[in-house]
Amino acid sequence: SQKIEQNSEALNIQEGKTATLTCNYTNYSPAYLQWYRQDPGRGPVFLLLIRENEKEKRKERLKVTFDTTLKQSLFHITASQPADSATYLCALDQRTGFQKLVFGTGTRLLVSP
Amino acid sequence: GAGVSQTPSNKVTEKGKYVELRCDPISGHTALYWYRQSLGQGPEFLIYFQGTGAADDSGLPNDRFFAVRPEGSVSTLKIQRTERGDSAVYLCASSLGLAGGDEQYFGPGTRLTVT
Repeated sequence: SQKIEQNSEALNIQEGKTATLTCNYTNYSPAYLQWYRQDPGRGPVFLLLIRENEKEKRKERLKVTFDTTLKQSLFHITASQPADSATYLCALDQRTGFQKLVFGTGTRLLVSP
Repeated sequence: GAGVSQTPSNKVTEKGKYVELRCDPISGHTALYWYRQSLGQGPEFLIYFQGTGAADDSGLPNDRFFAVRPEGSVSTLKIQRTERGDSAVYLCASSLGLAGGDEQYFGPGTRLTVT
């Protein structure tokens, strides 16, 4: 069966450290993968998109890797800040010709001062 | 610039009633998506519009759910004979609809509670 797995337990880290979140998928072959941030009571906010032919993508303190052999994406936040505390969702496209995304359940990140 | 807006922000209805949820996408965005999100879960795809037409409605759970986008802008998600299991946050998103993937802009959602 098709699955997208993200750590269901919250990730607690200290301010200034690097947070690493994992997204593993099974029985999908996405052309690209996206990461979104979601704060309580709000809709998701787009962060990064990485394509199947890209190994790594960076944006300011964010870095995403995409390993289509391992079927895994890693999402890193360097020099984390309390304001980075939120739920982070990964989403895969399904190669339908339009952007039909399948979302993981998200990982909650808590950054302590 | 205005983002995606959704109304109402909260809707409480009795089982068996009919509800309409509205989405105003970002101006110029041809693609519009509806998702449903339950507590502790990621958004679940319901339907996608490209312009006025529903290009993919495979995520609609059953025939009680219907959505329209008559002029290619505002969309309405309609739920007939609501059931308690329909309670969730309904999210709308829009995008430029570029081939090869582009970012989706989400609204704040409508929290639907069926009592």
